[in-house]
Amino acid sequence: SQQGEEDPQALSIQEGENATMNCSYKTSINNLQWYRQNSGRGLVHLILIRSNEREKHSGRLRVTLDTSKKSSSLLITASRAADTASYFCATGSGGSYIPTFGRGTSLIVHP
Amino acid sequence: DGGITQSPKYLFRKEGQNVTLSCEQNLNHDAMYWYRQDPGQGLRLIYYSQIVNDFQKGDIAEGYSVSREKKESFPLTVTSAQKNPTAFYLCASKAGSGETQYFGPGTRLLVL
Repeated sequence: SQQGEEDPQALSIQEGENATMNCSYKTSINNLQWYRQNSGRGLVHLILIRSNEREKHSGRLRVTLDTSKKSSSLLITASRAADTASYFCATGSGGSYIPTFGRGTSLIVHP
Repeated sequence: DGGITQSPKYLFRKEGQNVTLSCEQNLNHDAMYWYRQDPGQGLRLIYYSQIVNDFQKGDIAEGYSVSREKKESFPLTVTSAQKNPTAFYLCASKAGSGETQYFGPGTRLLVL
């Protein structure tokens, strides 16, 4: 069952612009993770944020979490053509070993 | 190099045929997972295993089977009962106490 849902489904921007994508979920979580998938490849872990955290940074990535709204956002600053990929959020809850993935946001960065 | 590998990269299945997708990891991870991804879709869980010789069905296990005889290996068999097997299959692993999954490069299964 899919809990996280990313928005928008697709995003097209120019190199140098910022890209923001959102993830909404339905039930309480312990953590939320963002992954990237280049076309035809496996997923690569980007960042994990726990339910007691509100913001985390990693390089050009900034993730926020609002547990009251059950939502998270991923901001990629100063985007590059190499950032073109699909981005997925995955939520983990309870004692679950099974992160639940959304359908992803397809990001295209034009050079 | 440590990592998780999947083979083959492309696999063709004839109608009525069973095929097996390989997944191997040398990360010493306890848990392993199989996901199916259809075009433009998210990942749907097929099977997962938390320890050797034990595995559980995921959301879409019908038409698939797995085994976990060794810690490093978690092969997936797509049986003839799976009527719509064309998809991208992803294997992942996770350390027992960890929260992050590590993914293989995927196998694309096509039906002839």
